[in-house]
Amino acid sequence: AQTVTQSQPEMSVQEAETVTLSCTYDTSESDYYLFWYKQPPSRQMILVIRQEAYKQQNATENRFSVNFQKAAKSFSLKISDSQLGDAAMYFCAYREGGSEKLVFGKGTKLTVNP
Amino acid sequence: DAGVIQSPRHEVTEMGQEVTLRCKPISGHDYLFWYRQTMMRGLELLIYFNNNVPIDDSGMPEDRFSAKMPNASFSTLKIQPSEPRDSAVYFCASKLGEGQGNSPLHFGNGTRLTVT
Repeated sequence: AQTVTQSQPEMSVQEAETVTLSCTYDTSESDYYLFWYKQPPSRQMILVIRQEAYKQQNATENRFSVNFQKAAKSFSLKISDSQLGDAAMYFCAYREGGSEKLVFGKGTKLTVNP
Repeated sequence: DAGVIQSPRHEVTEMGQEVTLRCKPISGHDYLFWYRQTMMRGLELLIYFNNNVPIDDSGMPEDRFSAKMPNASFSTLKIQPSEPRDSAVYFCASKLGEGQGNSPLHFGNGTRLTVT
């Protein structure tokens, strides 16, 4: 079974600085999708960014970007110019192509210090 | 669009009671998922439906849990009888499948269940 590992239970960053959250996954498939979700204290899960495994170019969404290393099965999230509103739990997730099942990591709690 | 709507937002019940959680997916979405979130186990997929039909219920913990989707706009997750270890946040989510444009997964705000 596919697994997703987030090795950092907690991270902190100063406002306006950059932080990188780590994620590794285990799969034997070549067709899959990777995601980062944000869960603020309001509890709702919000999609931050997604990456298709067949795309070599790293996905970016404004201040959020990923470093996708397919051979290393690594998918880290970089948040630039951190803002207080970025404070949340961040979950890395994996979905195999052709399947609709999304497998989540345990999450990283990000604190943004003013 | 109103998004995925779950009710109730909070539920407190006593052990042994029946609990029913409700979900209204986004209109037009053909997939619906039920997830459970706990500190110990994180986010676990319990069951998902495609076009109202259950596709994979391998994550349902035991026979006390059941889920139904009588139509495209409504689903329920029922626990009977409830136990303290069922305390968790239960999320409903919906999406368009790969054959329908493959939208991202949209989550509701979750139901926090406390069983005393």
